[in-house]
Amino acid sequence: RKEVEQDPGPFNVPEGATVAFNCTYSNSASQSFFWYRQDCRKEPKLLMSVYSSGNEDGRFTAQLNRASQYISLLIRDSKLSDSATYLCVVRLMFSGGYNKLIFGAGTRLAVHP
Amino acid sequence: NAGVTQTPKFQVLKTGQSMTLQCAQDMNHNSMYWYRQDPGMGLRLIYYSASEGTTDKGEVPNGYNVSRLNKREFSLRLESAAPSQTSVYFCASRRTTGTANEKLFFGSGTQLSVL
Repeated sequence: RKEVEQDPGPFNVPEGATVAFNCTYSNSASQSFFWYRQDCRKEPKLLMSVYSSGNEDGRFTAQLNRASQYISLLIRDSKLSDSATYLCVVRLMFSGGYNKLIFGAGTRLAVHP
Repeated sequence: NAGVTQTPKFQVLKTGQSMTLQCAQDMNHNSMYWYRQDPGMGLRLIYYSASEGTTDKGEVPNGYNVSRLNKREFSLRLESAAPSQTSVYFCASRRTTGTANEKLFFGSGTQLSVL
């Protein structure tokens, strides 16, 4: 079982739609959570961190459910420019200060006119 | 301010050839990383350097070596390339002042094909 699992998609949605992605993680010791965005043939870039109480950044809302070990990303009023792959990332902390980032394989979103 | 600069962008090698991927950051970051990205899989950590003068193995280090030349530069070397090393490679850096949520900055990637 992968440590971080995402539905690969693609999610094909029209402009203006609301779309949600989930990501599940297997290690209950996971400490920090993030969504990165990766455009085709480009490098990943941080979209937003995910906080325990949930957080919003414009049209993007991230939620964390520790009990069920998943995080979600909601995109409202989708734009063509939102078309990308969204990577779920989990940080594990170990004793001694060492930490490890686990990347999901990504969910592809295609927004069409 | 260029961020993370990675070269080359594309490379084709024959099995057994060697090459070095170069990475430099101008953000005075302590930590640097090399990842590979393969279809259907998340980015996997090859090697990392928590600070100048230190390097450690990541998840998939076999077939690779690294050098943290100074605080700015972190190179990845393939001594004898194999087809299984065909992948997209990303260098990344992070400040690491103790805040767990500090983000990674990535280079633009190297698409490597080993024939």
